[in-house]
Amino acid sequence: DIQMTQSPSSLSASVGERVSITCRASQSIGTYLNWYQHKPGKAPKLLIYGASFLQSGAPSRFSGSGAGTDFTLTISSLQPEDFATYYCQQSYGTPLFTFGPGTKVDIK
Amino acid sequence: QVQLQESAPGLVKPSQTLSLACTVSGGSISNAPYYWHWLRHHPGKGLEWIGSIHHSGSIFYTPSLKSRVTISVDTSKNQFSLNLNSVTAADTAVYYCAREGGAPPESWFDPWGQGTLVTVSS
Repeated sequence: DIQMTQSPSSLSASVGERVSITCRASQSIGTYLNWYQHKPGKAPKLLIYGASFLQSGAPSRFSGSGAGTDFTLTISSLQPEDFATYYCQQSYGTPLFTFGPGTKVDIK
Repeated sequence: QVQLQESAPGLVKPSQTLSLACTVSGGSISNAPYYWHWLRHHPGKGLEWIGSIHHSGSIFYTPSLKSRVTISVDTSKNQFSLNLNSVTAADTAVYYCAREGGAPPESWFDPWGQGTLVTVSS
């Protein structure tokens, strides 16, 4: 199984700050890495697919980078609606999929 | 636009079987080349992929649940279903259905159903 880790597990930030979240895979997964935003009581929302492609409708302040085992989700200027938990997910191991443990972003 | 909606069993007793259905609207489950998935979110924990099904009958399960889970599809109802037997409190979670987009291995989960909370308790 491909294991995913994320850091930090949580962070506090202010509106307008630049925020970065790291995801690491236990083996090389190319660019088969997706990012989701999850708010309480809502379904997870796809933000980034293929490591760096912005999903239609996702704000341009979100960006993704990386390849192989190390990936980063960056929010260029944190907005109030961005406070949520963010998950990375690998699809290299298809048909078996795994998620990272999540990074909770809350208000400083 | 495809939309997914989970049924809502709510409360399940320990050792019994959890049964959920996901109804797909805005598109036919049998005409699409997609896999359809079940996932869950434990309170205070992360997301877990449970398994997937294609209308052709191809099915995959996560190894940790494989002995207890069954996923099936009913094309006449445009639904796919999840059965999880011998449930315990550890199966208490919000259960989501989702469609796989893209082309494997470059694939992702989108769209998702709104999710349904299942509580295992006597």
